[in-house]
Amino acid sequence: DQQVKQNSPSLSVQEGRISILNCDYTNSMFDYFLWYKKYPAEGPTFLISISSIKDKNEDGRFTVFLNKSAKHLSLHIVPSQPGDSAVYFCAASGSRNDKLIFGTGTRLQVFP
Amino acid sequence: DAGVIQSPRHEVTEMGQEVTLRCKPISGHNSLFWYRQTMMRGLELLIYFNNNVPIDDSGMPEDRFSAKMPNASFSTLKIQPSEPRDSAVYFCASSYVKTYEQYFGPGTRLTVT
Repeated sequence: DQQVKQNSPSLSVQEGRISILNCDYTNSMFDYFLWYKKYPAEGPTFLISISSIKDKNEDGRFTVFLNKSAKHLSLHIVPSQPGDSAVYFCAASGSRNDKLIFGTGTRLQVFP
Repeated sequence: DAGVIQSPRHEVTEMGQEVTLRCKPISGHNSLFWYRQTMMRGLELLIYFNNNVPIDDSGMPEDRFSAKMPNASFSTLKIQPSEPRDSAVYFCASSYVKTYEQYFGPGTRLTVT
């Protein structure tokens, strides 16, 4: 049973536009959420995170939004750049627990 | 800092053979995680260690899989005997205990024929 779901396997966006990647979770005990970015032949790298006490966290072009009532989070990239083309994984964790539960990933392609 | 180091980067083996994957975590990190990535299931946590002690191995698929961490700077994931369905990319990651941000190695692509 997938506790963290990324229902869109791929997304294609034009350079300069906004990219919105979505993630849903089922476990109400999750209280910390992260986004990782992965290029081919490399390991995932941490991008941005958010605690459940917040509903928004921003870092440059990247913003993560959390809607606890809907058990939904999203990653916004504005403006999108060709170098953002990668697979993006959403991950979640419960308090006092080191485990991260990952989604299946969304492949983002930013074209000129 | 060299980051998390994994070896080998690629492994091709025949069904029934033993496979050993190796990981060196970032110096000072005291949590280590082994993941498997497949198209269908994404990134699955197999096992993780805190201070060299296995904490949760509920993700290890079968008894054919075993992992050890003999010291703070080295861990192995062993598959014996290997099967074609074990073909995947295996990642090792490390972090400080009770922090959420994990640092991943480049992965080992395993192909079992």
